[in-house]
Amino acid sequence: QVQLVQSGSELKNPGASVKISCKASGYRFGNYGMHWVRQAPGQGLEWMGWISTISGNPTSAQGFKGRFVLSLDKSVDTAYLDIHSLRPDDTAVYYCAREYGSGTYYFDYWGQGTAVTVSS
Amino acid sequence: DIQMTQSPSSLSASIGDRVTITCRSSQTISNYLNWYQQKPGKAPNLLISAASGLQTGVPSRFTGSGFGTHFTLTITSLQREDLGVYYCQHTYGIPYSFGQGTKLEIK
Repeated sequence: QVQLVQSGSELKNPGASVKISCKASGYRFGNYGMHWVRQAPGQGLEWMGWISTISGNPTSAQGFKGRFVLSLDKSVDTAYLDIHSLRPDDTAVYYCAREYGSGTYYFDYWGQGTAVTVSS
Repeated sequence: DIQMTQSPSSLSASIGDRVTITCRSSQTISNYLNWYQQKPGKAPNLLISAASGLQTGVPSRFTGSGFGTHFTLTITSLQREDLGVYYCQHTYGIPYSFGQGTKLEIK
């Protein structure tokens, strides 16, 4: 069965970096794009960007350019989100989500979420 | 960028009620509109794709409709397990975006 399993919760100091992984299984990794979504505490869903699992080319939303880096390791069917120079307002749950895209586009499978807390 | 606006932001309804949530886009998006349900502490779950396509395993009391800029999600007979936050999402080109969410509570 399709699964996206994310790495565990993180507690980081301001200014540090964090790397979140999203391990895919149960399907051909290269057939579906991978997206990332942020959810700050008590807030809604915010689309961060996506990465093509064919080319490895990432595209980030305007508010997530620079400190946020999307990458892949196709040899282990895993997508990554790196966040650099962490700030307290980066405290959120981060989700990866698989995109079904054939005539219509939607996120059919989601990771369980990775909580990142930024605090000194 | 396309902005998605949901209404209401929250609502409280009784078991068996008919509930309707509205989502509007800032420009036409054809039928590239999805609905998700999120329960506390869980990842969102896809309910409806392409405005009206009910996902496998989703109860038939959920229906979606709309085209262009105006969309609705209707729950025909509210059940207790339907509590949660509902989000619309457009996928009419990058950047995608979500509505701000509608929190559904059971009276």
